[in-house]
Amino acid sequence: DSGVTQTPKHLITATGQRVTLRCSPRSGDLSVYWYQQSLDQGLQFLIQYYNGEERAKGNILERFSAQQFPDLHSELNLSSLELGDSALYFCASSRTGGGLADEQFFGPGTRLTVL
Amino acid sequence: GENVEQHPSTLSVQEGDSAVIKCTYSDSASNYFPWYKQELGKRPQLIIDIRSNVGEKKDQRIAVTLNKTAKHFSLHITETQPEDSAVYFCAESQKVTFGIGTKLQVIP
Repeated sequence: DSGVTQTPKHLITATGQRVTLRCSPRSGDLSVYWYQQSLDQGLQFLIQYYNGEERAKGNILERFSAQQFPDLHSELNLSSLELGDSALYFCASSRTGGGLADEQFFGPGTRLTVL
Repeated sequence: GENVEQHPSTLSVQEGDSAVIKCTYSDSASNYFPWYKQELGKRPQLIIDIRSNVGEKKDQRIAVTLNKTAKHFSLHITETQPEDSAVYFCAESQKVTFGIGTKLQVIP
């Protein structure tokens, strides 16, 4: 157990819908990262937040957005869902900010299926 | 990702042999290079990392080497065991980019 929690574990929805994925970082970690992992694919970095502020952006679609709250938990919002958005979404946390600077601890992931 | 190239994409070795996975990066400002292991159906976990001020780091059967001039770094696993079978990802720090992954199969 990495100490990072993600909910829900599984999510099945239809095209055009909107969903919210939630992540709670390890105690003491200020950075939260979101990744998308499609079937047999690598980890695509979406976005990083550090202490409530956006710190780095990857290949995140305009239909996707995220935020980090004062208690440091983060939410990833996916809207106008398409079939191709079906994937495993990981959240990771680390102590520091500024891109990738130290060990990331990954959550168990949320499996999103868009039908 | 385009900032990191990883190869091979698949690797099969006999138990006890060594395995080497290589990554090449493009951004000379990158200064932190981790390796993650992802077992089937599980989350990625850090197995070793290296910073740009050193050329090599070892942890038991695992080692990472870094060549900043050539902009490449490699993961070395010696005396492989079946439990080493997994997908291994390299990453670079500047753009938070992960390699495509190497599926390692250790044959008993």
